[in-house]
Amino acid sequence: DSGVTQTPKHLITATGQRVTLRCSPRSGDLSVYWYQQSLDQGLQFLIQYYNGEERAKGNILERFSAQQFPDLHSELNLSSLELGDSALYFCASSGGPHRATDTQYFGPGTRLTVL
Amino acid sequence: AQKITQTQPGMFVQEKEAVTLDCTYDTSDPSYGLFWYKQPSSGEMIFLIYQGSYDQQNATEGRYSLNFQKARKSANLVISASQLGDSAMYFCAMRERSNYQLIWGAGTKLIIKP
Repeated sequence: DSGVTQTPKHLITATGQRVTLRCSPRSGDLSVYWYQQSLDQGLQFLIQYYNGEERAKGNILERFSAQQFPDLHSELNLSSLELGDSALYFCASSGGPHRATDTQYFGPGTRLTVL
Repeated sequence: AQKITQTQPGMFVQEKEAVTLDCTYDTSDPSYGLFWYKQPSSGEMIFLIYQGSYDQQNATEGRYSLNFQKARKSANLVISASQLGDSAMYFCAMRERSNYQLIWGAGTKLIIKP
């Protein structure tokens, strides 16, 4: 158990809908990262937050947004869902904001299926 | 340009044998970290081992060790005495000081045969 929690574990929804994925980092970790894992794209970095502030953006679509709350949990919002958004979405956390040595610990993931 | 290359899409290994999973990387940043993660069929991503670019010795964690050859830009994962539970996807990843994100290889699917 990494100490990172994600809910829900599975999510099935229809095209055009909006969903929210939730993540709680390990106790004491200030950084939260979101990744998408799909069969055709592999693992892709979406976005990072550190202590409530956005730190970095990766390949995140405009239809997607995220935030980190004062209690450090984070939510990833996906809207106007398309079939291609079906993927495994991971949240990871680390202690520091930006060091090459910071190990990211991953949650169990949320498997999103868009029908 | 691809920064992390895992050339072995799949490997079959006999139980109790040692296995080496290859990873080469490309970066111009002198400060970086290399990570290996395991992803079983259940889907979770499990951190295994870390090597820093300035580390003088190869990292070890139990049955896992990292064969770090900086000049060749390779960071191969060695699993000693493989077990059936080692069957999984293994990902090599890199993080540069100048970048916030982990950059991932395509992964190697390891299957341990009894």
